[in-house]
Amino acid sequence: GAVVSQHPSWVICKSGTSVKIECRSLDFQATTMFWYRQFPKQSLMLMATSNEGSKATYEQGVEKDKFLINHASLTLSTLTVTSAHPEDSSFYICSAQGFPYRSPLHFGNGTRLTVT
Amino acid sequence: DQQVKQNSPSLSVQEGRISILNCDYTNSMFDYFLWYKKYPAEGPTFLISISSIKDKNEDGRFTVFLNKSAKHLSLHIVPSQPGDSAVYFCAASGGYSEGGSEKLVFGKGTKLTVNP
Repeated sequence: GAVVSQHPSWVICKSGTSVKIECRSLDFQATTMFWYRQFPKQSLMLMATSNEGSKATYEQGVEKDKFLINHASLTLSTLTVTSAHPEDSSFYICSAQGFPYRSPLHFGNGTRLTVT
Repeated sequence: DQQVKQNSPSLSVQEGRISILNCDYTNSMFDYFLWYKKYPAEGPTFLISISSIKDKNEDGRFTVFLNKSAKHLSLHIVPSQPGDSAVYFCAASGGYSEGGSEKLVFGKGTKLTVNP
C-alpha cells in the first residue's frame, strides 16, 4: 500500500529556534499534501494544503510566516515551524493524496514537537 | 463550529460482538465520507469510504452506512477483534475547495476497545 514517511517522529527544541518536518510519499506521486495539527483528545485540524510547485493555502487562523510550507516536488513537502514557542508544542501530521480524484489520504506517522 | 461530530469519545465491546461507531455532520454540502483508524503514535490509516450516492458500503468486516436525511453515518465492525482497538476518526468532504484541492473535515474520534 501507499506509504508516507514523516521525519522526525519526535523533536525537542528550545524556544526561539526553528524546526523542519519532512513528509515524503515513498511509492506514489502526491499531487497534494496536507498538514494537520492535533491537540490531545481533539480532532485533526487542517493547517494548510500544498500543491507541488505552488504556494500553500493556509487555513484561517494559521500564521503563514510561522508555519512555512514548501512543496518542492511530487514526493516531498516540508513544514518549518519558525521561532518556535511552547504553545507550538503539538502533534503534527502530514498526509498525501495522489490520483485519481478522491483517492484516500495516506498519512505519515506524525511528529511530536516539544518546545521548551 | 464542529461540522463533523463523533459524540462518543469511547466505546468498549466484547470480542466477537458488533462495534458500532457513529458520526453526525451538519454541512449538507458534504458528499464523501471516510473512516480512518489510528493507533497511538501513528498516523491515521484509511479504512473505508462512502459516496453520498450510496447508503451502504461493505469491505470485509467493515460496513459503513449513510443516512443523508439524518446527516448521520455509522461504521459497523463485525465481528470485533482485539486488534481493532484504536481511535476511529470520521471524515467528510464536499469537493474541491479554495486552491483546487479537497479538504477533509475530521471528527474528534472515538476510542474503541475490544476486550478479549
